[in-house]
Amino acid sequence: DMKVTQMPRYLIKRMGENVLLECGQDMSHETMYWYRQDPGLGLQLIYISYDVDSNSEGDIPKGYRVSRKKREHFSLILDSAKTNQTSVYFCASSYRDRENTLYFGAGTRLSVL
Amino acid sequence: GEKVEQHESTLSVREGDSAVINCTYTDTASSYFPWYKQEAGKSLHFVIDIRSNVDRKQSQRLTVLLDKKAKRFSLHITATQPEDSAIYFCAAFGGGYKVVFGSGTRLLVSP
Repeated sequence: DMKVTQMPRYLIKRMGENVLLECGQDMSHETMYWYRQDPGLGLQLIYISYDVDSNSEGDIPKGYRVSRKKREHFSLILDSAKTNQTSVYFCASSYRDRENTLYFGAGTRLSVL
Repeated sequence: GEKVEQHESTLSVREGDSAVINCTYTDTASSYFPWYKQEAGKSLHFVIDIRSNVDRKQSQRLTVLLDKKAKRFSLHITATQPEDSAIYFCAAFGGGYKVVFGSGTRLLVSP
């Protein structure tokens, strides 16, 4: 079953707290992505991971870091969350070939108060 | 890096009419252009794509056109149905496998 699973689905945090968003996939995809979606801005790439411990910044990496210790698992960490990090976060995965379909998780709605 | 501009933020059509969503990109090296659909409250899923070695691709009621000279591609939906209502995102594969998305077009199909 081809699936990308994100946890949690909803999260409320206070400003300054640490946040951990988790993503798993069961397709052995080499490449994984973290995006955030904000109204009018579409999806913005935060980080991309090419495989275990091989991560690269996307377009908006400031305030975020990632961890990929297993191919099937990719975490997004917000150290000391800020209110402007309130957003919907999507994880996606794909095979490494240049042109491959992205499979998206259901998203995590994060509110930072 | 690659940038993708999606020109229509919203598009309203009547059921049965056609809808066209236009996107432009900046990187002449980009060679793959997928489209994704996001239904209300849900995640994104792939609908159709086009590679730069062709200028047209059709899949049932969906057609994608690519104009490499103008760095423009478009999604055409014919005989629209209410279930076509969604946000559609165009995208381009930039350098380093980075997939860059447009800002999305909200398509509303009214009966």
